[in-house]
Amino acid sequence: RKEVEQDPGPFNVPEGATVAFNCTYSNSASQSFFWYRQDCRKEPKLLMSVYSSGNEDGRFTAQLNRASQYISLLIRDSKLSDSATYLCVVYTGTASKLTFGTGTRLQVTL
Amino acid sequence: NAGVMQNPRHLVRRRGQEARLRCSPMKGHSHVYWYRQLPEEGLKFMVYLQKENIIDESGMPKERFSAEFPKEGPSILRIQQVVRGDSAAYFCASSPNYSTETQYFGPGTRLLVL
Repeated sequence: RKEVEQDPGPFNVPEGATVAFNCTYSNSASQSFFWYRQDCRKEPKLLMSVYSSGNEDGRFTAQLNRASQYISLLIRDSKLSDSATYLCVVYTGTASKLTFGTGTRLQVTL
Repeated sequence: NAGVMQNPRHLVRRRGQEARLRCSPMKGHSHVYWYRQLPEEGLKFMVYLQKENIIDESGMPKERFSAEFPKEGPSILRIQQVVRGDSAAYFCASSPNYSTETQYFGPGTRLLVL
């Protein structure tokens, strides 16, 4: 079983749509959780951290369910510029390393 | 404040040659991480270094790969006797002392082995 699992997509949605991505992780000792965005052939960039209380940044909302070991990302009012691969990332403090999911590809169309 | 710098951005090698990838962390960061992204796959942790020390190399292949972060100069990821399967994007990240979970990524080096 992969440490971090994501649906690879692609998710093809029209502009203005709401889209949700899910992710599960297997290591219950994981401490911190993030969503990164990766554009084609570019480096990953931190989109937002994920907390149990949920956090929102503009059109983006992230949520963590520790009991189910489940992370989600909701994007409202999708823009063309949101087209990218969204990476679910888990940090394990004992190893000081980030573990990446394979990513979910989003394509927003006119 | 310059971000994480990597060079070269693209590197072409023939099978059996050596590849040297360099990474300069953000100013003030003394923690460096190397990740590899194979085509159509996620990033995989390779090694975590601090100045002059390898902290965790659990993701490094047992042979041909080595990494260093000297007291002066950039971190180097060295791949000896490259094979086609080494073709990938290699990303370096750095973090400040106070938060190793906050890692900033460089633009990557794309290695192509012919």
